[in-house]
Amino acid sequence: AQTVTQSQPEMSVQEAETVTLSCTYDTSESDYYLFWYKQPPSRQMILVIRQEAYKQQNATENRFSVNFQKAAKSFSLKISDSQLGDAAMYFCAYGYGGATNKLIFGTGTLLAVQP
Amino acid sequence: DTAVSQTPKYLVTQMGNDKSIKCEQNLGHDTMYWYKQDSKKFLKIMFSYNNKELIINETVPNRFSPKSPDKAHLNLHINSLELGDSAVYFCASSQILAGTETEQFFGPGTRLTVL
Repeated sequence: AQTVTQSQPEMSVQEAETVTLSCTYDTSESDYYLFWYKQPPSRQMILVIRQEAYKQQNATENRFSVNFQKAAKSFSLKISDSQLGDAAMYFCAYGYGGATNKLIFGTGTLLAVQP
Repeated sequence: DTAVSQTPKYLVTQMGNDKSIKCEQNLGHDTMYWYKQDSKKFLKIMFSYNNKELIINETVPNRFSPKSPDKAHLNLHINSLELGDSAVYFCASSQILAGTETEQFFGPGTRLTVL
């Protein structure tokens, strides 16, 4: 069974600094997808970034980028130039698509941004 | 325009009652989901429906009965509510494309409190 592990329950970063959130996963599939979702105090789930496993190039979205290491089954999120609005719970998620499409989530990392 | 909406946003009820949560998406997606987020923020899939047909039922007690009258709606009915049912319930939707994993769009969540 697929599992997703986030080993950092809480992280803190100074405004304008860079922070990296860790995520590892376990799967026997070769084709799959990885996501980072953000959940601010409003509890809305917001997609931050996605990565297709077949792509070697790391995904980037403005200040957010990932370090995808397929062999190591690692998928970390880097937030550059951190802003107060980045403070939220961040969830790493695994999906493998198809008819049984579902997301398997990690336990989340609570990110605090210090002014 | 809200893409995925849920009603109600908050639900407080007594143990033993029956309650329903409604979900609607206006994205034209063919697949809808229910996730449960417990008190420790852990998110887990409960059900998914594709074109009104049940695809995933993840070991959920049969007190929980999803119903999809059409592909834009997925409602969740819970019978004989128990204290352990207290959680935030998220509805989500996506468009299934063969061989790919598309983004799941989440609703705002329904916080259910069972007293």
